[in-house]
Amino acid sequence: QSALTQPASVSGSPGQSITISCTGTSSDVGGYNYVSWYQQHPGKAPKLMIYDVSKRPSGVSNRFSGSKSGNTASLTISGLQAEDEADYYCSSYTSSSTWVFGGGTKLTVL
Amino acid sequence: QLQLQESGPGLVKPSETLSLTCTVSGGSISSSSYYWGWIRQPPGKGLEWIGSMYYSGSTYYNPSLKSRVTISVDTSKNQFSLKLSSVTAADTAVYYCASHNWNYEGDWFDPWGQGTLVTVSS
Repeated sequence: QSALTQPASVSGSPGQSITISCTGTSSDVGGYNYVSWYQQHPGKAPKLMIYDVSKRPSGVSNRFSGSKSGNTASLTISGLQAEDEADYYCSSYTSSSTWVFGGGTKLTVL
Repeated sequence: QLQLQESGPGLVKPSETLSLTCTVSGGSISSSSYYWGWIRQPPGKGLEWIGSMYYSGSTYYNPSLKSRVTISVDTSKNQFSLKLSSVTAADTAVYYCASHNWNYEGDWFDPWGQGTLVTVSS
């Protein structure tokens, strides 16, 4: 199975909004509402930020939101803060009853 | 609150079998709410799902690793384990265990263990 496609890097200034895309196929992202997003700071374990495309776990800031259109899911972070600088990964369930991650996106807060 | 902790050798020789254990605390591994998963991350690279298992025995593996992977559960010890056979340098990675919620509530990996680095080298 192929990894989902994410941009290698995105950047934004404090207070701005950024969007990270996650592109798959109709057999994964496009076929199910089982897309999740994870934040990973250097040397740390990933942290769940969004699940089921757009649901936010308790404790996660409402500055984080998710959406999906066709085979592409997106994570939007509004009101960028320095602490948001991290790597972000998407994940999706697939039609083969497996799970696949994206290649990861490095977010830089300028 | 569910917590997970990986344990096992940090160095494995090529062609041998990598064995890791994840100890679950704060909840029962036999809970009907969770699957239990393994994910790895080669140094400087992205995440790769290895497999997930339900306590009753249902298992799902990454097709690219399926021939070499076994995930098992020990309910008496509240642990689950990963075995990866015939390892090569390409299997060098930080290995994470995670609770995999996959039910009517949704699909997510959370929480995760802190991760353990396994290096394959002679």
